[in-house]
Order: sequence, then structure tokens, then C-alpha cells
Amino acid sequence: GQNIDQPTEMTATEGAIVQINCTYQTSGFNGLFWYQQHAGEAPTFLSYNVLDGLEEKGRFSSFLSLSKGYSYLLLKELQMKDSASYLCAVMDSNYQLIWGAGTKLIIKP
Amino acid sequence: ETGVTQTPRHLVMGMTNKKSLKCEQHLGHNAMYWYKQSAKKPLELMFVYNFKEQTENNSVPSRFSPECPNSSHLFLHLHTLQPEDSALYLCASSQDSGGGSDTQYFGPGTRLTVL
Repeated sequence: GQNIDQPTEMTATEGAIVQINCTYQTSGFNGLFWYQQHAGEAPTFLSYNVLDGLEEKGRFSSFLSLSKGYSYLLLKELQMKDSASYLCAVMDSNYQLIWGAGTKLIIKP
Repeated sequence: ETGVTQTPRHLVMGMTNKKSLKCEQHLGHNAMYWYKQSAKKPLELMFVYNFKEQTENNSVPSRFSPECPNSSHLFLHLHTLQPEDSALYLCASSQDSGGGSDTQYFGPGTRLTVL
């Protein structure tokens, strides 16, 4: 079967750095997406990785290792507004997104 | 504002009611999706429409009936639902459902409660 694993919940301090991991086992691979979802709001697109390596976008970076079936989302200089759920999703060989259950990130002052 | 709107935002219905959820996208996309989001569970894809044609139906019970009159509008008709159908129903759109980097843009969802 297809599976996306990510931690259920993480806590970090304002101003710090946090890394949210995602491992996947899917039938085929056509890219990995990270989304942010604030409570009661729409998931919003953060990043897309299809090749090995690090993609940086301001305070957020996303890393992919194809051989390990592994990705992480790195958030720097954490702000209170970063408190949200972070969803990892992989596009399989049928171009269908397979989703993880999301990681709830709690930022403390 | 993602360019995808959904109405209503909240809906409470009895098991014998019939209601419809509406989604509209203003992004010029060709593909639209319905997802179900339950607490602490992955997003479940329900239906996919590409150029108004249904291309995916992931074994969804017949009490959920989609309709896509054009590329900008998507409906989900609900009837004789069960309490376990209570969830957040998300609509999304993308340029084309067959591409690798095809990013989906989501609406804010309809929070459905079935009594």
C-alpha cells in the first residue's frame, strides 16, 4: 500500500528553527508537496520538490532524498503565525496526490 | 485568498436532508477536486474532474453525488448522510490533473455536521 508518515505534533520556540520530517512509500513518484494549513482555513501551497536536494524560499526550505524516500520542511526564525498544520503529499505514478495526516506545529513564546 | 471559494462555510444537516456544497474557482484552471478531511487523518480524495469530465471516483458512497457544469464550478450533492460523514469538505483546483508539478489550490472548506 501507499503510505506517508509524518509526526503528529511538534512544539518549538519563537525565533528558533524546526525541521518537520516526512517519509513516503508510494507506487511511483512525480514530486513531493508541502502545504500549510491554519486551523479552519484552506491548505496553502509551500513547496514542490522532484529532484534530490534543497529548495529555499525565504524562511522556509524543503529537502528531498529520492533514494531514502524522505523529505523535510525546515522553518527558520519561527514566528507565532507559523503555528499551523503542515501537510506532506506525494504525487504517485497516476498523478494522484497521496497525503500524510499532517504535523501540527505549536510555537511557544 | 487562494482564488477558490466554497459555500456554505458551515452546514448542519439531519440524516434525511438533501443539501449541496458549492465550489467556484477564479484561476482559469481545468481540473477540480473534492476532498474529505477528518481530524488527524490524511486528506481523502473523493472526486476529480478534468475539463468537466469525471476522471476519478475513489469508491465514494452514492449518497455523495458530484456535478461539474463547467470548468469553474463544482458541486457536491448530499443526501441521506450518516453521522460519520461529518468532516471538513475541501474543494481544490489545478491547471491540469495529469502533470507532475501540477499544484492544487484549495478553498477554505465546508465544515459539515450530520446529526
